[in-house]
Amino acid sequence: GNSVTQMEGPVTLSEEAFLTINCTYTATGYPSLFWYVQYPGEGLQLLLKATKADDKGSNKGFEATYRKETTSFHLEKGSVQVSDSAVYSCALTGFTGRRALTFGSGTRLQVQP
Amino acid sequence: DAGVIQSPRHEVTEMGQEVTLRCKPISGHNSLFWYRQTMMRGLELLIYFNNNVPIDDSGMPEDRFSAKMPNASFSTLKIQPSEPRDSAVYFCASSGTSGSEEQFFGPGTRLTVL
Repeated sequence: GNSVTQMEGPVTLSEEAFLTINCTYTATGYPSLFWYVQYPGEGLQLLLKATKADDKGSNKGFEATYRKETTSFHLEKGSVQVSDSAVYSCALTGFTGRRALTFGSGTRLQVQP
Repeated sequence: DAGVIQSPRHEVTEMGQEVTLRCKPISGHNSLFWYRQTMMRGLELLIYFNNNVPIDDSGMPEDRFSAKMPNASFSTLKIQPSEPRDSAVYFCASSGTSGSEEQFFGPGTRLTVL
């Protein structure tokens, strides 16, 4: 079945540091890949997505590239801010018709001033 | 649009009591999802509906859990009887018919079963 593996957190960085959160997946067929962000006390928001191999999703300075050969979708940001502190979850949807998301375990990011 | 609406936001109940969580999806969306979030297991799908019909309920833990979607604008998730291990945050999400796979999440209901 489908599964998503994320690096364990928490990740603690200083402001302006480079961020990488690793995500790898196992899926049947050609899934769509997502990163969701959850700020304290709020629900999940879509951060970015990619629907086919080699696509790059980007938003708010965050980027992730769909790598079919390594089954990965790592999240990166060149310079994090305190306001980026949140939980980041990698997810996928499977083949057409199975639209529910399969999530990774989530990675808590804490950015210190 | 108000987004996905969930109620209550917080629920504290005693073991054995019935709990009902409610969700109003975004108007015009035809798919609705219930997820559960715990520290141990992260976010897991419980059930999802398409056009008010349950499509996949393989994530529903056991018979104590049931979900309904009587119309396009309302869904409930019921736990009867509740147990302490049901304590979690329950999220509802909806998505539309345009072909976009983006799911829009509600703020969640934090359930504590004592």
